[in-house]
Amino acid sequence: DIQMTQSPSVLSASVGDRVTLNCKASQNINKYLNWYQQKLGEAPKLLIYNTNNLQTGIPSRFSGSGSGTDYTLTISSLQPEDVATYFCFQHNSWPLTFGSGTKLEIK
Amino acid sequence: VQLVESGGGLVQPGKSLKLSCSASGFTFSSYGMHWIRQAPGKGLDWVAYISSSSGTVYADAVKGRFTISRDNAKNTLYLQLNSLKSEDTAIYYCATTVYWGQGVMVTVSS
Repeated sequence: DIQMTQSPSVLSASVGDRVTLNCKASQNINKYLNWYQQKLGEAPKLLIYNTNNLQTGIPSRFSGSGSGTDYTLTISSLQPEDVATYFCFQHNSWPLTFGSGTKLEIK
Repeated sequence: VQLVESGGGLVQPGKSLKLSCSASGFTFSSYGMHWIRQAPGKGLDWVAYISSSSGTVYADAVKGRFTISRDNAKNTLYLQLNSLKSEDTAIYYCATTVYWGQGVMVTVSS
């Protein structure tokens, strides 16, 4: 099974900060990496698919990059509504696996 | 697009439950579908997948106990949960990789 390791587990930043969330796969996942945002009490929402493709309706301050085993979600200017837990998800090989999440807080 | 799960509840260990997910707003028969679960306060855990042609894949933790199926005529996805364990307690979401339902709670407890 491919293990997905997210870091940090908790991130505290100020409004307007540039924020970077990391996701490392235990083997090459060929850019088949999605990022989801989950706010408290809600279902996850797709932000980025296949590493760097912004889902329709998602603000352009969100972007993704990476290749091989290392992937990044960047928020260019943190907004109060971005408080949430962010999960990476690999769909390169079975079984599909999620990272354990990064909880993003506002300072 | 709307995905609406139902069928959750409180069930004793060893018993069975069947979840349903009613889909609308897209051509359900053309899409592979997933069940994904989330234990209280925990992360996301992929459970099972069914392709548009009804091929299936399962997580090891549920293989042999859970069965995913679909009825394209009814635009409905199912998950049959047998031999339930306390560790199956979770919110169960049906999803494409893009769209997710709001989830249904399954609690396994005596």
